[in-house]
This record gives sequence, C-alpha cells and structure tokens, in this order.
Amino acid sequence: EVQLVESGGVVVQPGGSLRLSCAASGFTFDDYAMHWVRQAPGKGLEWVSLISWDGGSTYYADSVKGRFTISRDNSKNSLYLQMNSLRAEDTALYYCAKDIGSSWNYFDYWGQGTLVTVSS
Amino acid sequence: DIQMTQSPSSVSASVGDRVTITCRASQGISSWLAWYQQKPGKAPKLLIYAASSLQSGVPSRFSGSGSGTDFTLTISSLQPEDFATYYCQQANSFRALTFGGGTKVEIK
Repeated sequence: EVQLVESGGVVVQPGGSLRLSCAASGFTFDDYAMHWVRQAPGKGLEWVSLISWDGGSTYYADSVKGRFTISRDNSKNSLYLQMNSLRAEDTALYYCAKDIGSSWNYFDYWGQGTLVTVSS
Repeated sequence: DIQMTQSPSSVSASVGDRVTITCRASQGISSWLAWYQQKPGKAPKLLIYAASSLQSGVPSRFSGSGSGTDFTLTISSLQPEDFATYYCQQANSFRALTFGGGTKVEIK
C-alpha cells in the first residue's frame, strides 16, 4: 500500500525558515517524480514544486521560486521542502504527492498534509 | 502561466442527476489535463488523467472529455459519496502546473 506521511509543519514567524519532510513507502520511490502541493485554509490547490526521480531536475511555482528548495534522498525514501523567507501567504496545508510516472505531472497518491502557519 | 477556469463554481444536484463540470485553459494544452475530487478534511483523489483516462479504482460513472482548451468532467448518475469539490489541473507545462479554482457539488 502506498503511503506518504508529511511532517515538520509548525507555526513560524514571517521571515523564518522551515523544512518539511515526506516519508514514502509501498512503492519504488526512485522510479517516480514527486511534488509538493499546498492549500491555503478554505482555498483551492496550488502546485508548489516538482523534483525528478533522480533529483536532477527541479521546478518551482513563481510564488516560491528563490525561497523554497525541493530535494529527495532516495536511500531514505524521503522527500523534503526547505522553506526560507516565509511570508503570511505561505500559510497552508502542504501535501506531498507522488507522480503517476517518471514525470507525467499527475498526482496519483497524496499524503494527509502538514500545516504551516506563518504568523507573528 | 497557463490559467485554468472552472465553471460553475458550485452546483446543486440530486442523487441520480447527471452533472457536468467544465474547465477551460488559457492556451492549448492538448490532452494534458487531470480531474481530482476532494472531500472536506481529506487529500484530493485523482479521478481522470490525460483528459479521459479513468484512474484505477474510480467508478465508471466518472468520465472526462476534451482537448486543446475545453474539457469536461461528467458524473453520469450522482451518488451520495460524490458530493465534494472537484478540481481540474493542467499538466502541459511542467515548469508551472496549475489547478482550476474548484467546483463544489452540493446536495439539492
């Protein structure tokens, strides 16, 4: 059974930093691209970032480019999101999502999400 | 970035009704489109990918169609468990994947 478990979400002050983690199991992790998708409270879905199966290619939404860094450790079946210079508008539930293939850009499995609140 | 516009933003329907949701892309995306269902407090669930391919395990009452800029999600006979919010997502531009604003399907 595919499982994605996010962690690391907390309350952080504007300008602060945070690293989210996603532990994957139930599939061959290094066969698939992975994504982060977020959802602000009561709002719609926003794609944040994509990393290729080998970590060699990464892409970001304009809203986070230059502030967030996606990475993965295939030996640990883990995905990460380093978030710097956090803003109030980054407050959201952050989901880790598995790509349907090596990089088809559809999300077939999602975690339960981890909540990031940026507030003073 | 490619903008995705869904309509309607909400729809009231009864069990057994046929429901159609539309998604329009700001530029052509071929068939690079997916549909997701999200229930309150839950993660989204993939229903349709590549515009018309049914994800494994999804009931056949869900279907997708379209290409280019105009796409449709149809629920042929609405069931109680289908009341949820539905999102389209374009996968054409992997440097900037985008979702529609969502369509809430409510009980009439």
